[in-house]
Amino acid sequence: QQQVKQSPQSLIVQKGGISIINCAYENTAFDYFPWYQQFPGKGPALLIAIRPDVSEKKEGRFTISFNKSAKQFSLHIMDSQPGDSATYFCAASKRGYNKLIFGAGTRLAVHP
Amino acid sequence: GAVVSQHPSWVICKSGTSVKIECRSLDFQATTMFWYRQFPKQSLMLMATSNEGSKATYEQGVEKDKFLINHASLTLSTLTVTSAHPEDSSFYICSARDSGDRPFFGPGTRLTVL
Repeated sequence: QQQVKQSPQSLIVQKGGISIINCAYENTAFDYFPWYQQFPGKGPALLIAIRPDVSEKKEGRFTISFNKSAKQFSLHIMDSQPGDSATYFCAASKRGYNKLIFGAGTRLAVHP
Repeated sequence: GAVVSQHPSWVICKSGTSVKIECRSLDFQATTMFWYRQFPKQSLMLMATSNEGSKATYEQGVEKDKFLINHASLTLSTLTVTSAHPEDSSFYICSARDSGDRPFFGPGTRLTVL
């Protein structure tokens, strides 16, 4: 019940394309769903996050889609750029508890 | 935005020695900080939750006597790896929760034990 399953493990996208990464969770008590971007040798950086009271959140080229009934959420990166090449992690936590449970990560490569 | 720093950014030590890693919230106070460990090409695994002024809460399987955590102030938590061994070599990352309950991560500390 504590797991967050992330797919795909790796993703190759052409410059200008859309990158889509999916996550699924089991624990219905989770109510905070962030996405993090991590470059090699660096700590994760918060990209965008969503709470279950909305189905979609957009910030620039990054969009989270959230399906509460299916217990799934996804990250869409529009107009993907080579600089977006990094590892992306989804995560989930319970408000007030705030212990983040991370997905396994997706290594994204955007080819020029 | 909230900034979290870690020191040192990398450290090499001999087997059997102890290493201290600092985590600081630079522009906000954090009553709760978290310590994660990340092995190469793997995800982040929570080691412990550090609460200011009280004992840390360790995750199952994490040896509290080996990984000593101190959270003496609202802006500083330390992780001490005692009697380090090569299998402790990893990337250690802390995070601190801001007033909006959002966790922000530090840049990480690369520990190599020879």
